[in-house]
Amino acid sequence: SQTIHQWPATLVQPVGSPLSLECTVEGTSNPNLYWYRQAAGRGLQLLFYSVGIGQISSEVPQNLSASRPQDRQFILSSKKLLLSDSGFYLCAWKTGSETQYFGPGTRLLVL
Amino acid sequence: LAKTTQPISMDSYEGQEVNITCSHNNIATNDYITWYQQFPSQGPRFIIQGYKTKVTNEVASLFIPADRKSSTLSLPRVSLSDTAVYYCLVGGLYNFNKFYFGSGTKLNVKP
Repeated sequence: SQTIHQWPATLVQPVGSPLSLECTVEGTSNPNLYWYRQAAGRGLQLLFYSVGIGQISSEVPQNLSASRPQDRQFILSSKKLLLSDSGFYLCAWKTGSETQYFGPGTRLLVL
Repeated sequence: LAKTTQPISMDSYEGQEVNITCSHNNIATNDYITWYQQFPSQGPRFIIQGYKTKVTNEVASLFIPADRKSSTLSLPRVSLSDTAVYYCLVGGLYNFNKFYFGSGTKLNVKP
């Protein structure tokens, strides 16, 4: 069966520090991968999606970037965090005609 | 893209049936409707998916009228543990980037 992992689960970072969040998927090949952000009490905002290694599409201009160095690995990064980057970050995967399946999420607090 | 609209919140009591409706007036011919459940600090969990008429699984039913401009998630005999946010997603299963999440409905189940 397929599983999706995200780490870290929780992260507290100072403003101006770098960021790296990782997402990995097991049990499937060539998935479409997605990064979402969810502000407190709000809905899901799609940030990036990827259909293959090295292929990244950005949905919202922002202080973040994404990379896909391996088929089942998706990384969310920032060079300098802003207070507004705080939130709950979710990774999701999808293959073929399947719906999207979400990871457990990473809670990021920027102070 | 099919913009989706959901009620912000709903209240219910244990043992009652709950119906949450999502409006998607501009749904495309190849769009499916998917519902997710999300608890605080967790990723959304897949509940049910459908294209038309009625779909039922062990946890919920999904009703979709003939014009497909809305859909209703039905939760039978809710319990306190069903208190969560419920999201509808409209999109083509074979489209990796053409989908739209609703803003979510916070269901409060009271004893």
